[in-house]
Amino acid sequence: ETGVTQSPTHLIKTRGQQVTLRCSSQSGHNTVSWYQQALGQGPQFIFQYYREEENGRGNFPPRFSGLQFPNYSSELNVNALELDDSALYLCASSLAVGGRAGTDTQYFGPGTRLTVL
Amino acid sequence: DQQVKQNSPSLSVQEGRISILNCDYTNSMFDYFLWYKKYPAEGPTFLISISSIKDKNEDGRFTVFLNKSAKHLSLHIVPSQPGDSAVYFCAASRGSWGKLQFGAGTQVVVTP
Repeated sequence: ETGVTQSPTHLIKTRGQQVTLRCSSQSGHNTVSWYQQALGQGPQFIFQYYREEENGRGNFPPRFSGLQFPNYSSELNVNALELDDSALYLCASSLAVGGRAGTDTQYFGPGTRLTVL
Repeated sequence: DQQVKQNSPSLSVQEGRISILNCDYTNSMFDYFLWYKKYPAEGPTFLISISSIKDKNEDGRFTVFLNKSAKHLSLHIVPSQPGDSAVYFCAASRGSWGKLQFGAGTQVVVTP
């Protein structure tokens, strides 16, 4: 059973550019959530995908978008990067059954460190 | 709007003693609370949780207490061990989908 993996590990972009971050879910998981963790803060919920559909969104602008693929891997896309987008981006996968996601069994990846210059 | 707050950014405790981490929340609709532990260069790992219908949950050295009237929860680690040195995050969710609201974290250092 493989864990949650994310790529790349680190990324440096400049203001205005676009970035795509990738997440491979734990085997058998059908739900992916993305979080942004700024320095010195806790993770902030960006959005969640369940069976390829967005299933809730936090307080993030539309330039943050996502995809979930049939194999349940996921992408986070950020357009028009701003300096404040510099953060650790975490994805977490879980298995939702009958409309309930396993909150306790939500496994986090190691994150992608994005730096915007 | 920070709905989950951890007001102590750091805690230093001697090995063998008790570590007490505190967390406050403002949203009375939260019905599930969790503690995560995070080491550098790793994602948060689940530690222990508690439903809003309970006031205590215990798992080995870790106990979480929930005081709904005060909107406060705490994590007790007894006895503290050097491997417990990490950042601890309190998190809360509403409903069954695990969309978590996190506190800012408390850095715990366990000294010999």
